[in-house]
Amino acid sequence: QVQLVESGGGVVQPGRSLTLSCAASGFTFNRYGMHWVRQAPGKGLEWVSFISFDGSETSYADSVRGRFTLSRDNSRNSLSLQMNRLRPEDTAIYFCAKEVFTFASDVGAELDFWGQGTLVTVSS
Amino acid sequence: QSVLTQPPSASGTPGQKVTISCSGNSSNIGSNPVNWYQQLPGTAPKLLIYTNNQRPSGVPGRFSGSRSGTSASLAISGLQSEDEADYYCAVCDDSLNGHVLFGGGTKLTVL
Repeated sequence: QVQLVESGGGVVQPGRSLTLSCAASGFTFNRYGMHWVRQAPGKGLEWVSFISFDGSETSYADSVRGRFTLSRDNSRNSLSLQMNRLRPEDTAIYFCAKEVFTFASDVGAELDFWGQGTLVTVSS
Repeated sequence: QSVLTQPPSASGTPGQKVTISCSGNSSNIGSNPVNWYQQLPGTAPKLLIYTNNQRPSGVPGRFSGSRSGTSASLAISGLQSEDEADYYCAVCDDSLNGHVLFGGGTKLTVL
C-alpha cells in the first residue's frame, strides 16, 4: 500500500535552517509529481511546493520562494525540502502528498495520498 | 483570506443532505478542475473528489461534486456522524503560475 512518511521536523530559531524528508513506498515513485502542503496550528491548508515526476520542474508558493528548495531522489524514493531563513509564520505541520496522475510536469491539485505530517516550530 | 471562498461552517442531522460551496474566479475554478478534501480531526487530509466530480476508490457514493462557472459544490447525502470533519476545495490558479489554492475550509457539524 502507498505510504508517505515525513521526518525532520522540530523546533528551530528564526533565521535558521531545517530539512524535511519524505520517504515513499508502495508505488512507482518516479512516475508521480509530489507536493508539500502545510497547516499552521488551528488554520487551513496552504500549498507550499511541487516537484515534477523527474525533478525537472519545481514550483513554490510566494510565501516560501527563494527560501525553500524542493528536490527528489528517485533512486531512493525520497523527497527533500530544504527550508532556509525560517520565520515564525512558517510554524506548521508539513505534509508531503502524491499526485493522482502520472508523469505530470505541471502542478495539479489532485493529491490522492498524504503522509501524517511533521511539525515545524519556529520560535526563539 | 483565501481567494477561494467557502462558508466557515455547515451543519445537518443524520440522513440529511448538505452542500458546501466554493467560490472562485475565471483564473481558478473557471479554468481548472476542482478537488475536494476531507480532514478528520487530528489526521491528514483525504482526497474526496477530484476533477470536479470523480470519486477515488473507496469513497462512498454519498459524496458528489459539481462545478458551474466559477463556483463548485460538494454534496453529502445520507449524512452520517463520521462525516463530521473539515472540508477543503482545491484548484490550480492560472494567474498564479498554476499554483495550488485551497479554500479556507468548512467545518461540518453533524447535529
